[in-house]
Amino acid sequence: AQKVTQAQTEISVVEKEDVTLDCVYETRDTTYYLFWYKQPPSGELVFLIRRNSFDEQNEISGRYSWNFQKSTSSFNFTITASQVVDSAVYFCALKGRGTSYGKLTFGQGTILTVHP
Amino acid sequence: NAGVTQTPKFRVLKTGQSMTLLCAQDMNHEYMYWYRQDPGMGLRLIHYSVGEGTTAKGEVPDGYNVSRLKKQNFLLGLESAAPSQTSVYFCASSYSGGKETQYFGPGTRLLVL
Repeated sequence: AQKVTQAQTEISVVEKEDVTLDCVYETRDTTYYLFWYKQPPSGELVFLIRRNSFDEQNEISGRYSWNFQKSTSSFNFTITASQVVDSAVYFCALKGRGTSYGKLTFGQGTILTVHP
Repeated sequence: NAGVTQTPKFRVLKTGQSMTLLCAQDMNHEYMYWYRQDPGMGLRLIHYSVGEGTTAKGEVPDGYNVSRLKKQNFLLGLESAAPSQTSVYFCASSYSGGKETQYFGPGTRLLVL
């Protein structure tokens, strides 16, 4: 069975602070894919990143960075110098190779509030 | 390209009423999905389709039916709505089921009284 845990239900920071959102996953698949999605107050789900299990390179995109560690089954997301526009619910998700249709298992989400 | 679109955006139903949610994608994706989002539970898969004319059950299929008559459209039906089906419904599509990213529509907020 697959499982994604986002232990932080809500995080509140002040603008310009750095913030890290934690994601821990469980899967028996040796090949799998990890995703982060952002859900702003407007409600849509915006794709941020996909990471393959065989690629442990960290990724940086502007103020966003992702730290993938297979040894601890974690795929954490850091926002540097947070801004009010970063306020959203962030979901971590896992897709294993065990199902042909690409079952996507979501974590419960972390609500991030960035105060001015 | 519009990506994934959903209609309606918001709907209020009375218990026992029926309705159909429409999802359309213009990315020529083979795979389409319906999820529901409830507070504190992330998104859960209701039904999915791996191609035109095919449908299959996901994690929480009870009370819902789907149809995929055209590749670009995926319909979600509620035959007899119940208050437990109050939720936000998201449609998604992807090129295939492997590593491919699922892209989501804007969601439909449904309230069943």
